[in-house]
Amino acid sequence: GAVVSQHPSRVICKSGTSVKIECRSLDFQATTMFWYRQFPKQSLMLMATSNEGSKATYEQGVEKDKFLINHASLTLSTLTVTSAHPEDSSFYICSARDPARLQETQYFGPGTRLLVL
Amino acid sequence: GQQVMQIPQYQHVQEGEDFTTYCNSSTTLSNIQWYKQRPGGHPVFLIQLVKSGEVKKQKRLTFQFGEAKKNSSLHITATQTTDVGTYFCARDSWGKLQFGAGTQVVVTP
Repeated sequence: GAVVSQHPSRVICKSGTSVKIECRSLDFQATTMFWYRQFPKQSLMLMATSNEGSKATYEQGVEKDKFLINHASLTLSTLTVTSAHPEDSSFYICSARDPARLQETQYFGPGTRLLVL
Repeated sequence: GQQVMQIPQYQHVQEGEDFTTYCNSSTTLSNIQWYKQRPGGHPVFLIQLVKSGEVKKQKRLTFQFGEAKKNSSLHITATQTTDVGTYFCARDSWGKLQFGAGTQVVVTP
């Protein structure tokens, strides 16, 4: 079945540094991918929609200059957390749909746990 | 904005018992999806409901969509330890998912 991968699975960084997270669709092409954030014991919140070949669209309250999204190919979207702070520590998950499938199934990546010290 | 409310937040279940988690919206939903997230894992798609009054079953899981398309439920019968996790309902709007708060299920052997 369709698989979405993420790298890295875990990352620890110092406050003020930037972290790049990759999201790949492994056996299908995704013109659109989605980035979510999940704090401990909370639900998933959509951060932004990553569009291949064009600018990402961000949800209200999400700083586009802090969370840089690049969707350079049909199988890869990257999320860069710039100047990370401890409050950015969270579980970041991407998702994508396989347009070739009839069912409206969202496939989620395994997630990236970010800890900012 | 439109919100999807989900209850209960926590559910402690004895193995073998049944339980239900509910999802409600103040506005009509075009669809409702259900996901399961195991501890430490990522959400896994379970099902999508789109029709008024729709009922779908997956083994011990029964999913319902209300007649007014404003509520949905997930009922699990004969709970097993493998059912542990958090169950989310979500509204899909052009691929964007708006999740409910989730029901965290703990199963006692």
